[in-house]
Amino acid sequence: DTEVTQTPKHLVMGMTNKKSLKCEQHMGHRAMYWYKQKAKKPPELMFVYSYEKLSINESVPSRFSPECPNSSLLNLHLHALQPEDSALYLCASKGQAERRTEAFFGQGTRLTVV
Amino acid sequence: DQQVKQNSPSLSVQEGRISILNCDYTNSMFDYFLWYKKYPAEGPTFLISISSIKDKNEDGRFTVFLNKSAKHLSLHIVPSQPGDSAVYFCAAGNSGNTPLVFGKGTRLSVIA
Repeated sequence: DTEVTQTPKHLVMGMTNKKSLKCEQHMGHRAMYWYKQKAKKPPELMFVYSYEKLSINESVPSRFSPECPNSSLLNLHLHALQPEDSALYLCASKGQAERRTEAFFGQGTRLTVV
Repeated sequence: DQQVKQNSPSLSVQEGRISILNCDYTNSMFDYFLWYKKYPAEGPTFLISISSIKDKNEDGRFTVFLNKSAKHLSLHIVPSQPGDSAVYFCAAGNSGNTPLVFGKGTRLSVIA
């Protein structure tokens, strides 16, 4: 199983809504990532979790709140977003530190903020 | 400062011919490199990787070449097929949990 599963696939939310994006992997990977991707741009790193602890926050606004409840799950809680936050949100996971493995990406959540 | 550069935003190739996508990097600490393929509104799909201790890795129609002294890698696709049309991202990383660094991508169009 080399799958990273993201739900929902599509999400439309108003600027006053609270919603959550979910990501799940069962490959035993201990590093998990949230990326944001706008059209015609490369994925832009938001957060890194290593062994369920937040290790990198790329100066992301507090309206995005990550959570790693266990080693298989990664959430991104959204609150009071702006229209410019509309993008494809990608989750990825990567293998153990001693293994130089590729990062596996989920299919993403297409988020539209109205 | 871009650590991973893909200087060609787009490339058009005839079906059956070779596609060559290029990537340059500046950080000599990177010890492995990857290529991802991406269709619109989907997550990137891993294609092929190469460790810094190698200069070539081949997987079917895809071959990645690494020139460490020039800090340059390339992806060769031969023969190119219309289904190869997508955006290709070059990425670089270190062992451990540090995140990958991506280039800006090259849009490949394979014309039938």
